[in-house]
Amino acid sequence: EVQLVQSGAEVRKPGDCLKISCKGSGYSFTTYWIGWVRQMPGKGLEWMGIIYPGDSDTRYSPSFQGQVTISADKSINTTYLQWSSLEASDTAMYYCARPRTAGTTSGIAYWGQGTLVTVSS
Amino acid sequence: DIQMTQSPSSLSASVGDRVTITCRASQSIGNYLNWYQQKPGKAPKLLIYDASSLQSGVPSRFSGSGSGPDFTLTISSLQPEDSASYYCQQSYSTPNTFGQGTKLEIK
Repeated sequence: EVQLVQSGAEVRKPGDCLKISCKGSGYSFTTYWIGWVRQMPGKGLEWMGIIYPGDSDTRYSPSFQGQVTISADKSINTTYLQWSSLEASDTAMYYCARPRTAGTTSGIAYWGQGTLVTVSS
Repeated sequence: DIQMTQSPSSLSASVGDRVTITCRASQSIGNYLNWYQQKPGKAPKLLIYDASSLQSGVPSRFSGSGSGPDFTLTISSLQPEDSASYYCQQSYSTPNTFGQGTKLEIK
């Protein structure tokens, strides 16, 4: 059974750094793209970026390029989303997400449970 | 980036109604179009991929059509459990942008 299990909720102050994680299981981690999706409170879904753990090829939305870093450790089947300096506007639910088909980004069939990040002074 | 525009942004319909949500891409995307359902407090769920393919386990009352820039999600006979937000997403090129969403309410 494919599972994506994300790290728990975080509360941070503006200017803090943060790294959240998503561990994949039940499939070949290195042959599927895995991405991150943001959902701000009461708002829609925003595609942030995606990584191919097999070779660490990473693509970012221009809206998030330079604001976050996506990485993966294929030795432990885990992908990460990190910030070097959080802002209040980073307060949101963050989902990791895996497409249904190996080697493509088409159709996100598997989602993590979400990690709520709250940034407040 | 490819922009995805959904309409309407919200709608209200009765049980048994036929409901249609549309999605327009800012350029041709072939059939690289996905539809998702999201209920409050839950992760999104894939309904339709490649414009018209029904994801496994999704009720057959959901269907998708279209190609190029214009796509449609249809619910043939609305059920109470279909109350949710619906999003389209293009997977033609990264960033794989989402539409802004359609909130569907049951009357």
